Amino acid sequence: KQEVTQIPAALSVPEGENLVLNCSFTDSAIYNLQWFRQDPGKGLTSLLLIQSSQREQTSGRLNASLDKSSGRSTLYIAASQPGDSATYLCAVKVPREYGNKLVFGAGTILRVKS
Amino acid sequence: NAGVMQNPRHLVRRRGQEARLRCSPMKGHSHVYWYRQLPEEGLKFMVYLQKENIIDESGMPKERFSAEFPKEGPSILRIQQVVRGDSAAYFCASSPIALEQYFGPGTRLTVT
Repeated sequence: KQEVTQIPAALSVPEGENLVLNCSFTDSAIYNLQWFRQDPGKGLTSLLLIQSSQREQTSGRLNASLDKSSGRSTLYIAASQPGDSATYLCAVKVPREYGNKLVFGAGTILRVKS
Repeated sequence: NAGVMQNPRHLVRRRGQEARLRCSPMKGHSHVYWYRQLPEEGLKFMVYLQKENIIDESGMPKERFSAEFPKEGPSILRIQQVVRGDSAAYFCASSPIALEQYFGPGTRLTVT
């Protein structure tokens, strides 16, 4: 059974810091891995999607890496801003033969202080 | 191209009533997924549907919960005889041919 863990559960940093959010998963048989952002009381915004054959993806100040063999992914946020404050969710997509569903971690609550 | 639509956005039900949550997938998407987010928890998969078929309902409680995705119209998640523990945010996602899932804004159900 696939399980996803995110560390830390919460993080508070001053504006301008570079930071790393961690995600680990127990079964390396994944189709892809996705990072989402969720603002309080809102839906999910997809940030980055890494296919199982890829090692990393970049979008602006965000960079996500994937090491499938060790079951780990990191989300790197450069030069953090108060507007980055949100909950960040990591999710892995199980292979089609297991139903195509996403398995989510519990999230990291990020607060960037101005 | 409008995104995934969910309605209502907020729903309040008394214990014992029925809750109906609707999800209209993005145009051209024939795959729908429902997830539930309990307070202070991550999202949990409930059910995966294609038009007129339930593909995987392994995450759905065996009693009181049902889902459908008819040939015409939105997907419906139905909760009968709601209890306080059903209070949560329910998210719908859609995808074309089982590729990347796009999420709706969610329906926040409160059971009083």
